[in-house]
Amino acid sequence: DTEVTQTPKHLVMGMTNKKSLKCEQHMGHRAMYWYKQKAKKPPELMFVYSYEKLSINESVPSRFSPECPNSSLLNLHLHALQPEDSALYLCASSQPPGGAFFGQGTRLTVV
Amino acid sequence: GEDVEQSLFLSVREGDSSVINCTYTDSSSTYLYWYKQEPGAGLQLLTYIFSNMDMKQDQRLTVLLNKKDKHLSLRIADTQTGDSAIYFCAGYNNNDMRFGAGTRLTVKP
Repeated sequence: DTEVTQTPKHLVMGMTNKKSLKCEQHMGHRAMYWYKQKAKKPPELMFVYSYEKLSINESVPSRFSPECPNSSLLNLHLHALQPEDSALYLCASSQPPGGAFFGQGTRLTVV
Repeated sequence: GEDVEQSLFLSVREGDSSVINCTYTDSSSTYLYWYKQEPGAGLQLLTYIFSNMDMKQDQRLTVLLNKKDKHLSLRIADTQTGDSAIYFCAGYNNNDMRFGAGTRLTVKP
């Protein structure tokens, strides 16, 4: 199983809503990532968890809150987002040297 | 983190070889990767190379690494229309993985 599963695939939320993005992998990978990708741009690193501990936070605004409940799951909690936060949010997991496997992403629209 | 640069566009004819180039700034990258992204999809891992290797071949894909010049390339032999996509190189060091801007490859029949 080389799959990273993200839910939901699409999400529309208002600026006052609270929602969560979910990511799951069963490859035994110990590093999990959240990336944000705007149209025609490369993925931008947001957070990295290593062995269920937050190891990298790329100065992401606090309205994005990651959580790693266990080694297979990664969540991204969203609260009070802005329209400019609309993007494709990608989750990935990795165990070098094999490279990171990406989910299909959640396309988020903030209205 | 790694800074990675790529040329933005490449157009080739079907059956030709494509060469996509990438330069990176952080010599401490332990692995370098190539990913493919089709419209509306996530990123597909194509291949990778250790930083102590010069070349890696995987079917139609050949990766060349010039560590002295910090230059990485991906050659696709016999390019097909299904290869049309955006290709990203990425540098990895200690759980930190950064992407280049991506090269949009267009394959003309």
